Order: sequence, then structure tokens, then C-alpha cells
Amino acid sequence: GAVVSQHPSWVICKSGTSVKIECRSLDFQATTMFWYRQFPKQSLMLMATSNEGSKATYEQGVEKDKFLINHASLTLSTLTVTSAHPEDSSFYICSARSPIQDTDTQYFGPGTRLTVL
Amino acid sequence: AQSVTQPDIHITVSEGASLELRCNYSYGATPYLFWYVQSPGQGLQLLLKYFSGDTLVQGIKGFEAEFKRSQSSFNLRKPSVHWSDAAEYFCAVGGTDTDKLIFGTGTRLQVFP
Repeated sequence: GAVVSQHPSWVICKSGTSVKIECRSLDFQATTMFWYRQFPKQSLMLMATSNEGSKATYEQGVEKDKFLINHASLTLSTLTVTSAHPEDSSFYICSARSPIQDTDTQYFGPGTRLTVL
Repeated sequence: AQSVTQPDIHITVSEGASLELRCNYSYGATPYLFWYVQSPGQGLQLLLKYFSGDTLVQGIKGFEAEFKRSQSSFNLRKPSVHWSDAAEYFCAVGGTDTDKLIFGTGTRLQVFP
């Protein structure tokens, strides 16, 4: 149980284009999902907290107009990197929590490697 | 300030040897503590967690961790390491007052045959 998927697993795009990353909880409903960014050989940095049906809460320093987060259902959250630039290249990981059981544990997706040329 | 410190950036052990990865935390409220493992290019897998109760926690893959409040530590241990344990290990802290996790900088484990 508690499986989280991400799609795509990797993506290469041209500078200036937008990229959408999906995060799905496969066997549970997640009222809260989290988006992290990880640079090579570094730890995870929380970008935003996404609650189903409401606006995401962004961490300080994260541009909400650049990193658009939508949590339209209890099993799906999306992160759209708008007008991507090479400095946005990174490993993006989502996590999800179940509102019913094990509410304080985050289960992580496999990550999405974004490369912006 | 809330923080997690993993003092060892890189640890190398021989297969079959014992392992201890250190984690110290600073947290104002009652902490929830986690250990996650990340293989190269992959997401994070939960190894074990501590919320309350018995301070010695058993996890998957033969790992265990001990919560020591007096030392603000939550060290991860394994009696005999396997080559497949080579990965990056992250300690994280959360709590009743937040839904966020604070991660340490990670410890890279290398296992020699």
C-alpha cells in the first residue's frame, strides 16, 4: 500500500517552454501532497504544500507563478514549470499523505528528472 | 530553529560489517522522526519511523533506529550490511505542530565486497 507514482520519470525540454509533472497516489486518497526539489548530491528542499481543492502553500523563495501547482482531486497533483530555463533543471519529487491512516507519514514518488536545454 | 544534522556525508563499510548512521535533530515540539533511503535516480523509500512508545524502532530491510531524547538523536543501525544497501540515507523530522518534514543533508553509504 501507499504507492505514489510520478509521470514522466524524465523530461527534456527547450528553454522557454512549459512542462507538467503529475503526481498520483495509486492506492489511497491524499488530501495533502508535497513537492520537493533536489539538486545533485543534495537534500530535498520543500517547494510547496498542496491541499486538495485549495491553493498551494509555497515556501519562501519559491515563485508561485513559475511553479504552478494544482491539486484537483484526491489522487492527483500536478506541478507545471512555466517558461522553463536551464536553472530549473533538477530532480522533482512529490510525496503524499493519507488523511485516514498513517496521517503523519509522507510517501514519496520516484521523482522526475527535468533537463532544460 | 528546527533542523536535522547528519554529520557523516559519506560512509564506506565492508559487506557484512555493522553500520550506524548518525542523526541529530533540533525540534521545539514533540518530534516525529523518519529514516528514508534513496537509490540513485529514485525517489525515497521509508525505512522506519518513530512517533511515540518504544524508543527502539524496527524497520524494513533489517534496519533499526533508536530514539534518544536526551541526546536529540535518532541513529540508524544495521548489524550486517549487504551490497544492496549502498544508497543515500536521509533522516527527517516532523511533528504534531506541522505537516512538513525537515530533511538532513543525507549520508551516502558505499559498501565494498
